[in-house]
Amino acid sequence: AQSVTQLDSHVSVSEGTPVLLRCNYSSSYSPSLFWYVQHPNKGLQLLLKYTSAATLVKGINGFEAEFKKSETSFHLTKPSAHMSDAAEYFCVVSDLSTDKLIFGTGTRLQVFP
Amino acid sequence: DAGVTQSPTHLIKTRGQQVTLRCSPKSGHDTVSWYQQALGQGPQFIFQYYEEEERQRGNFPDRFSGHQFPNYSSELNVNALLLGDSALYLCASSLDRVSGYTFGSGTRLTVV
Repeated sequence: AQSVTQLDSHVSVSEGTPVLLRCNYSSSYSPSLFWYVQHPNKGLQLLLKYTSAATLVKGINGFEAEFKKSETSFHLTKPSAHMSDAAEYFCVVSDLSTDKLIFGTGTRLQVFP
Repeated sequence: DAGVTQSPTHLIKTRGQQVTLRCSPKSGHDTVSWYQQALGQGPQFIFQYYEEEERQRGNFPDRFSGHQFPNYSSELNVNALLLGDSALYLCASSLDRVSGYTFGSGTRLTVV
C-alpha cells in the first residue's frame, strides 16, 4: 500500500528565510508525488508534481521539491518565505492502481514578519 | 477557462436529513473524484466517476453515493446524515493520471 508521512505538523519561519517541509513516501513502485497548498477556507492548489521525469521539480511561487529514491523523500523547499506562503501544505501520492490521491496529514506553515 | 465549480459553498443540515452536493469539472476533464476533509485532517478519498460509472471507492459507507452526468458534472449524495459527516467536501477533476487533479473550493457541510 502506498502512503505519505509529513514529518512536521507545524513549521514556523521568518519572512525572507528558507522553507523546508518534509515528506517521506512509501510505495512498492515508482510513485507519482504531488504537493498541494490550501489557504484558509479555500480549496487545494497544485504546487508541483513528480512523475518519474527530472528528480528536481520546480513548481509555482518559487517552490521546488527533490525526489530522492534512496531516502524515499520528497521534501518541499523555497529559498525565501513570503507572508502569503502561510497556509496548509499537503504531500500527496497517487495510487497508480486505483488512481486515487492519498494525502498526508498536512503541515501548517506560519510566516512571521 | 473556469476551473472546478462546486455548489453550494456552505450548507447546514440536521441529523438524519439527506444532502446533495454538485460539481462541474474543469473544461476538458472527464474524471471526477470526491474527497472528504474533516477539520484539521487531510482529504480522504470517497469515490471516483468516469464515463458515468463509479470506478473506484474509498472506505465510506453506502450512505455516500454519487452520479456523473453525460456532461461530466457530478453529484455527491449523503443519506441519513450524522454529526460526523460535518466536513469540507472537495471535488477534483482530471483528464489523466499524469497531469494531476484540479480541485474546487469545496462545500462546507455542517450537520447539527
